[in-house]
Amino acid sequence: AQRVTQPEKLLSVFKGAPVELKCNYSYSGSPELFWYVQYSRQRLQLLLRHISRESIKGFTADLNKGETSFHLKKPFAQEEDSAMYYCALSESNTGKLIFGQGTTLQVKP
Amino acid sequence: SAVISQKPSRDICQRGTSLTIQCQVDSQVTMMFWYRQQPGQSLTLIATANQGSEATYESGFVIDKFPISRPNLTFSTLTVSNLSPEDSSIYLCSVEREDSYNEQFFGPGTRLTVL
Repeated sequence: AQRVTQPEKLLSVFKGAPVELKCNYSYSGSPELFWYVQYSRQRLQLLLRHISRESIKGFTADLNKGETSFHLKKPFAQEEDSAMYYCALSESNTGKLIFGQGTTLQVKP
Repeated sequence: SAVISQKPSRDICQRGTSLTIQCQVDSQVTMMFWYRQQPGQSLTLIATANQGSEATYESGFVIDKFPISRPNLTFSTLTVSNLSPEDSSIYLCSVEREDSYNEQFFGPGTRLTVL
């Protein structure tokens, strides 16, 4: 069955420290993976997708099919990165998104 | 991107009543979805709203409880029927455009509290 797992409910780091938000998936086909972010009092929005292979706000994520992972990384966290982050998988034939449980990132000054 | 509005933004309802949530998009979109986010939980897909035909429901969600309409390519409604306190959640509408390569754009959500 398709599933997305984010093992950490809360990740707390100091400003300037590296950040890695973990995401593992289970999918029988060829996965399309996304990271969505929700800042305080804002709506959920796309941060990045694996297809584009780009860095957004200093964040990168590499799809590792061998480990079925799509971890989100940033070398130096900023306070404005504090938010809820969701890893999501798109079903190729329906476009449906399957979300992980979400990780709250807290960046302390 | 797509600009999505939802009405109402929040409501407090009595047990046994129903609430209809509207989702309006500023442009025609191919796909519209409805999600539920229960307190402290992630987003769960309720159904895909299909234009001109019955919605496609996910396992655990039924039409009698969550009737959905989508009369055109820019508008959809979700009704949560026969409310109970367990229905207290945030309900979100999302859309996907033909040129967005599976990216979904989300509405601001409707926060429902059932007393």
